[in-house]
Amino acid sequence: LAKTTQPISMDSYEGQEVNITCSHNNIATNDYITWYQQFPSQGPRFIIQGYKTKVTNEVASLFIPADRKSSTLSLPRVSLSDTAVYYCLVGDPISSGSARQLTFGSGTQLTVLP
Amino acid sequence: ETGVTQSPTHLIKTRGQQVTLRCSSQSGHNTVSWYQQALGQGPQFIFQYYREEENGRGNFPPRFSGLQFPNYSSELNVNALELDDSALYLCASSGEGALKDTQYFGPGTRLTVL
Repeated sequence: LAKTTQPISMDSYEGQEVNITCSHNNIATNDYITWYQQFPSQGPRFIIQGYKTKVTNEVASLFIPADRKSSTLSLPRVSLSDTAVYYCLVGDPISSGSARQLTFGSGTQLTVLP
Repeated sequence: ETGVTQSPTHLIKTRGQQVTLRCSSQSGHNTVSWYQQALGQGPQFIFQYYREEENGRGNFPPRFSGLQFPNYSSELNVNALELDDSALYLCASSGEGALKDTQYFGPGTRLTVL
């Protein structure tokens, strides 16, 4: 089971870039790294996914070094509405089927201050 | 909006009762996963259904059971409710058309056991 470690909480100010780093030392060869965002009393929302190097979409960037033992979620110019819990996940294989069990840690509570 | 819906939104039960929660997956997704999220913690995997069969199970007792129907919607049943079952129950769908390891979550059902 590939476990992840991320900071419990982070504070930032509006307009700043926020980088959240996640450690996953036991990541398997076939595992992808996925980040989710969750607001209170809502389901987690997919942000970004990657396997190696850098991935960018309209919301965030994901940086993955060559050894893949860590990853960094980068949120450019955060706003108050980015205040949420951010989860880093590494896919776990199951015996059959097309999808995989997701193993959530405790996540990182990001608080964006005015 | 992910297209995953859950019902009911909120539910209050007493200890020892039974409860059924429902989930409609996103169109085209054939896999449904259920998660339990206690207050302040990350979601914990309960089980997954793929094409109407259980396809993986987390560390939950047999009183947690489920079903998936031919239209890929799903039910989570919990018997002999305990106080610790109070949590947000999340349903997530995925399928061959989705990104690898990506699951799309519904808004959840908040269960309170008194």
